[in-house]
Amino acid sequence: NAGVTQTPKFRILKIGQSMTLQCTQDMNHNYMYWYRQDPGMGLKLIYYSVGAGITDKGEVPNGYNVSRSTTEDFPLRLELAAPSQTSVYFCASSYILDRIEYFGPGTRLTVT
Amino acid sequence: GENVEQHPSTLSVQEGDSAVIKCTYSDSASNYFPWYKQELGKRPQLIIDIRSNVGEKKDQRIAVTLNKTAKHFSLHITETQPEDSAVYFCAASDQTGANNLFFGTGTRLTVIP
Repeated sequence: NAGVTQTPKFRILKIGQSMTLQCTQDMNHNYMYWYRQDPGMGLKLIYYSVGAGITDKGEVPNGYNVSRSTTEDFPLRLELAAPSQTSVYFCASSYILDRIEYFGPGTRLTVT
Repeated sequence: GENVEQHPSTLSVQEGDSAVIKCTYSDSASNYFPWYKQELGKRPQLIIDIRSNVGEKKDQRIAVTLNKTAKHFSLHITETQPEDSAVYFCAASDQTGANNLFFGTGTRLTVIP
């Protein structure tokens, strides 16, 4: 199993640009999550999904959108990038809601 | 929402010594407490977790203790090794949903050879 994979690993955006962070898992997990990690801080939940077609907001959803058309994929969309969205983004998946064992390798995003 | 505080923010120990990291939480409904290890530039790894029906859990050199009355829990690492150097995060959840899992701000542990 590849586990949880994310692309890209690094990205630099200009203010106002848009992009999609890709996330795929091959473990048939129902639960998937997007977190952001700012320097020196813990993880904050952006969005999560409990199954295909079902998504919900986390603690910091503003400026982001998600979709879950399949069990495997959970892309995160940034519209109109802002410097405040400079962060490391982790996708994750799990068998049990909130027992998160599988994280992707992360995407380091800089918005300038 | 839940507020999880973690101390200390940095910790240096000599190889072979023990390290203790403490977290407090505010929501008495929290009943699940995981700990994560994150090496520099890497993804977080779940290293141990505890549910509120037990007071202590051990896995080799790592143990977690929970005091629900005082609303705090701790990570204990014994016989530390250089490869234990990382940032450790605690978290707390009331298990009602993914948006109710809250993380502490992390402790950077350095094990000095």
